Parts: sequence; structure tokens; C-alpha cells
Amino acid sequence: NAGVTQTPKFQVLKTGQSMTLQCAQDMNHNSMYWYRQDPGMGLRLIYYSASEGTTDKGEVPNGYNVSRLNKREFSLRLESAAPSQTSVYFCASSEAGGFYTEAFFGQGTRLTVV
Amino acid sequence: AQSVTQLGSHVSVSEGALVLLRCNYSSSVPPYLFWYVQYPNQGLQLLLKYTSAATLVKGINGFEAEFKKSETSFHLTKPSAHMSDAAEYFCAVGSGGTSYGKLTFGQGTILTVHP
Repeated sequence: NAGVTQTPKFQVLKTGQSMTLQCAQDMNHNSMYWYRQDPGMGLRLIYYSASEGTTDKGEVPNGYNVSRLNKREFSLRLESAAPSQTSVYFCASSEAGGFYTEAFFGQGTRLTVV
Repeated sequence: AQSVTQLGSHVSVSEGALVLLRCNYSSSVPPYLFWYVQYPNQGLQLLLKYTSAATLVKGINGFEAEFKKSETSFHLTKPSAHMSDAAEYFCAVGSGGTSYGKLTFGQGTILTVHP
């Protein structure tokens, strides 16, 4: 049971380059999320998808785009990478219904923009 | 708007000592509260969650947390620290509604356990 799988695990980009972070979950969850983690700031929500076909901005969406490809997959795209986007990115998923349902996280993608 | 404050970015304890990690929250609706743990170079793993069934919540690895509405707190404790508890711990509050994984996190507390 893989849970939430992110690719790649590590990436180095030059300023201005673009890339897409991939995320897939096999738990049949309706909702998926992208967070970024920076030292001393916890995790901050970039974008989320409450259900297939919908996406919404989170706390820090600038510089990012997302695509909910199907129920399983939710990708994050950096169109023109900037050093400020150096971070660890986590994808997560959860069931849409039911109270107190926790989010399940992937292993993270460590991105460095030089 | 919701927010979470974790008091102390670093906590250091001796093996066998009490672990206390503090979390205060702000929420305009009944909160959905969670504690997650992150081991080095790994993702986040759920420790425990507040479900309103009981104010004292027991989680994995001997951790527990007490929900105190009057103090807007959800502190995490463990009676006796183990070396394997060294990790970063995050308190989070959920917004509920249709996206229960839409979480607001505290800044994290790094727990160091000394022999």
C-alpha cells in the first residue's frame, strides 16, 4: 500500500526554469493538497483540490499552478522558478467527508532553485 | 481565520524525562486538532487527533494530548522520552467543511533527546 507518492524526491533548478511535481494517491481520497515547508514556518498550503475537477488557492499560491488530472493525481507546476521557491514540497490527501479525517502525506520533494 | 502557535521552536529533554510540547490555537469554529511528527528526511505522520469524544487523546508511541477549550490549548505530552522520539512535531488545526485535510500548521518544535 503506497499511500501518497511524490516524484521526484530531489530536484535542482536554475532560476527561470520550469518543472512539474507529480503526486499520486491510491487511497481513493477525494481531496488533495500541496504544501511547502520552510524552516521555522511550518507547512503552508499552496493549492488544494476538494474533489476531482476543482482547485482552489491556499495561503501561498503565487508562482504556482496546479492540475487535478484525475481522482488519483494532483500536479504542481512552477512556470518560472525563483530562489524563493527553494523549499520542501509535500503532497497530501484526505477523504472529503466525515469529521476529524486526517491528511496523509507523501515523502516530500526537496527543491533547490539556484 | 485559524492559527496555531507552538511555544518553543526547540525542546531538549533527557531520556526518560517528561516531554511537553505546547500548542495554542485560534479558531472561530469548533476546532479539528492534530499532532503530526516528522522524522528526518521523511513525510509527516499522524500522532493523534482530537475528535471531541474525549478531551484527553491518546496517540501512537505513548504520546497523548489534552484539549482545553478554556485555554485554547492542545499540548502534547509523553511521560518518558525515548531516543527514538527525536523528531520535529507539528500541531495543526483543520478547517473542516469539504476539505478536512486543509490544515493550518504551527511552526514546528524540534525535540532533542539526550542520553
